[in-house]
Amino acid sequence: DAGVTQSPTHLIKTRGQQVTLRCSPKSGHDTVSWYQQALGQGPQFIFQYYEEEERQRGNFPDRFSGHQFPNYSSELNVNALLLGDSALYLCASSLPTQDYGYTFGSGTRLTVV
Amino acid sequence: AQSVTQLDSHVSVSEGTPVLLRCNYSSSYSPSLFWYVQHPNKGLQLLLKYTSAATLVKGINGFEAEFKKSETSFHLTKPSAHMSDAAEYFCVVTPWETNAGKSTFGDGTTLTVKP
Repeated sequence: DAGVTQSPTHLIKTRGQQVTLRCSPKSGHDTVSWYQQALGQGPQFIFQYYEEEERQRGNFPDRFSGHQFPNYSSELNVNALLLGDSALYLCASSLPTQDYGYTFGSGTRLTVV
Repeated sequence: AQSVTQLDSHVSVSEGTPVLLRCNYSSSYSPSLFWYVQHPNKGLQLLLKYTSAATLVKGINGFEAEFKKSETSFHLTKPSAHMSDAAEYFCVVTPWETNAGKSTFGDGTTLTVKP
């Protein structure tokens, strides 16, 4: 079963650098959401992509941007990294109505030093 | 606006005893409600969901949750805990009508199961 695939699994970056995280959704899902999970906290919504457009956005600065491709895969880009960006970044795919809930990937652990 | 409060940050039970993880929510819309489980170094897995059908929802691995609108609660229960249930549990609310984004997660409850 092709679930949600995220890459890379771990990443270490230096403050001020830029990073790109990638996500392939579950087969049959066309909506991709990104979440940031800091240590000991629940996931925080970053944004959601549907039909290659950002449909909704959480309270994250413009340094966080994304993209969705025609095959529904998605990228999360973070510019000018800060130490506080260190977190587990989770990609979740779903149908547009989300009535069936999300399917999550295992996440990318980003460490900013 | 919407929010989720998980009333216990840590719950510890003995194997074979009942589990109760408490969740209260607020939402300006009729909500869809979910419980997810996260094992260490793993992604989140959907346990069960409520989407305006039956108020008692059955999920995977013997878990259940009851939607109580009057109490704005969606507590998760299991009759008998197993060692493999030890994990982090998240209650989630999504505005049903908007059909768009922004699920709100609680801060999580860590379940410990003692032998």
